Amino acid sequence: TQLLEQSPQFLSIQEGENLTVYCNSSSVFSSLQWYRQEPGEGPVLLVTVVTGGEVKKLKRLTFQFGDARKDSSLHITAAQPGDTGLYLCAGAGYGGATNKLIFGTGTLLAVQP
Amino acid sequence: DTEVTQTPKHLVMGMTNKKSLKCEKHMGHRAMYWYKQKAKKPPELMFVYSYEKLSINESVRSRFSPECPNSSLLNLHLHALQPEDSALYLCASSQVRAVMETQYFGPGTRLLVL
Repeated sequence: TQLLEQSPQFLSIQEGENLTVYCNSSSVFSSLQWYRQEPGEGPVLLVTVVTGGEVKKLKRLTFQFGDARKDSSLHITAAQPGDTGLYLCAGAGYGGATNKLIFGTGTLLAVQP
Repeated sequence: DTEVTQTPKHLVMGMTNKKSLKCEKHMGHRAMYWYKQKAKKPPELMFVYSYEKLSINESVRSRFSPECPNSSLLNLHLHALQPEDSALYLCASSQVRAVMETQYFGPGTRLLVL
């Protein structure tokens, strides 16, 4: 069974601070996606990483895929209240007619002004 | 275009009611998904349709019945639900680009069962 553990589970920080969210598994994934979700809304795709060791930047957000494609991290620089939300990583496995995403356990981030 | 739309936005129903959730995706996406999500938890997969055929049923109870009338539409028919079925129901669709499959979610339907 493929599992994705995220840490921390909850994070409350002040505006302007930096933070890192981790997404770890013992399984290898063909790709990994990060989503941000606000209350009552659907998850919004932030990025997809595919290559081991890949680093992608999205403004103040930096995403990294582990060399072995088993883990990933999301680093936010100078967090803002608008970054508040539930962050979900989701891994896609190999093969099959449809790729079933394995979701991480989620990280709930609150950025206080 | 990756937009997925869902209706209604909110739904309140009694345990004896029959209702349907609707989802529409744009052309070019090969698979569609229904998820159930409880507050502050990750989405739980319910059903997957691939090329308009049901390919995955995650042992969902029969009070949830999916339907894919065509390549753009996905319905979830609800009957005799229980209060514990109250949740955010999410539809998603996926496309494949250069062997990378990415899922895009709709805004969800917030369901309350009384």
